[in-house]
Amino acid sequence: DGGITQSPKYLFRKEGQNVTLSCEQNLNHDAMYWYRQDPGQGLRLIYYSQIVNDFQKGDIAEGYSVSREKKESFPLTVTSAQKNPTAFYLCASSNPGQGTEKLFFGSGTQLSVL
Amino acid sequence: SQQGEEDPQALSIQEGENATMNCSYKTSINNLQWYRQNSGRGLVHLILIRSNEREKHSGRLRVTLDTSKKSSSLLITASRAADTASYFCATEPRGAGSYQLTFGKGTKLSVIP
Repeated sequence: DGGITQSPKYLFRKEGQNVTLSCEQNLNHDAMYWYRQDPGQGLRLIYYSQIVNDFQKGDIAEGYSVSREKKESFPLTVTSAQKNPTAFYLCASSNPGQGTEKLFFGSGTQLSVL
Repeated sequence: SQQGEEDPQALSIQEGENATMNCSYKTSINNLQWYRQNSGRGLVHLILIRSNEREKHSGRLRVTLDTSKKSSSLLITASRAADTASYFCATEPRGAGSYQLTFGKGTKLSVIP
């Protein structure tokens, strides 16, 4: 099946620890995104990537880092500098160059602090 | 920044009734999209309406767009228990790409069997 796979489903972080969330897509999409969702809130953009080896900060990039070494993969690292990391993290992809503006989402990773 | 704001925040209806959700936004847009999210899951795209369109249908969904009022509505007809979910509008600002898509806080719909 074509789609976006996020792993793990649940992740726990200890104080001072960096953790990495995985996002893989087999839709051959150029653009990929990371969003953060807090309870009862909408989605806020953390980072996005339009093409391999390029990425841009979104609205709330502080305390996060990303890489885009392969078209299929866009991992997100939540660093120890992110003081309030507990949230639901969503990865998405799209192919804007093909006139497809809609986003395809993964099933999310719930990150909690121990 | 969040441009779209959904109304109401929560809606509870009986199965078979129609559900209407509204979205207001602040700046000119290229398009407006509606997404659905089941609890603890990712979002699923429902429908996209462009700034030059006024109404669009997809199955039991009907979306309207009034650019003069900067508002949109999503109507779900003959609702089912399986429609229980949160619904989000997302706007793509004029001149921007999907990279600038901004989401509202959503309407939580409960359909009672």
